[in-house]
Amino acid sequence: AQSVTQLGSHVSVSEGALVLLRCNYSSSVPPYLFWYVQYPNQGLQLLLKYTTGATLVKGINGFEAEFKKSETSFHLTKPSAHMSDAAEYFCAVSDLTSGTYKYIFGTGTRLKVLA
Amino acid sequence: NAGVTQTPKFRILKIGQSMTLQCTQDMNHNYMYWYRQDPGMGLKLIYYSVGAGITDKGEVPNGYNVSRSTTEDFPLRLELAAPSQTSVYFCASSQTGRELFFGEGSRLTVL
Repeated sequence: AQSVTQLGSHVSVSEGALVLLRCNYSSSVPPYLFWYVQYPNQGLQLLLKYTTGATLVKGINGFEAEFKKSETSFHLTKPSAHMSDAAEYFCAVSDLTSGTYKYIFGTGTRLKVLA
Repeated sequence: NAGVTQTPKFRILKIGQSMTLQCTQDMNHNYMYWYRQDPGMGLKLIYYSVGAGITDKGEVPNGYNVSRSTTEDFPLRLELAAPSQTSVYFCASSQTGRELFFGEGSRLTVL
């Protein structure tokens, strides 16, 4: 069965510091992996995705993530945090389980950016 | 560009009442999903559909029902509302397992 684990429900970084949000997954077949961002009182927006090909994927707003199959990880990074990055971030996995694509989400990491 | 549209955005129900959350997408996506979001719990899949006339249960289906009579619409029905159904509900759609497109959410309170 698919599962997603996000380490750290809350992460605080200083403005300009590195952002690292951790995500580990389990899947019995090659997965699609996603990071979504949710700003207060809004829906979820796609930050980036890995489907096939290059394992380092770049997304919007300067974020990137690397798919590491050996570590079953898909950590999200950004070199320099900005105040506008404060939001909740969700990692998700999708695979073709039982002939159907289901998306399973982690419990989320709330990012706080300190001035 | 409407994308995924959910109505209503907010609703207060009394225990035992019923209601339907509406979801419509204009992207001709085959896959549609209903999630509920509770603080600290992430998103839990309630029901999903792989096409018109085909629906299946997700992780937390109890107390809910769905139908998919057209490609565009995927309403979620709450029967006999309970306080445990107080949550934010998100509808989403996708094409063959690619990225999910979300609606803006429906905030439901059951008192």
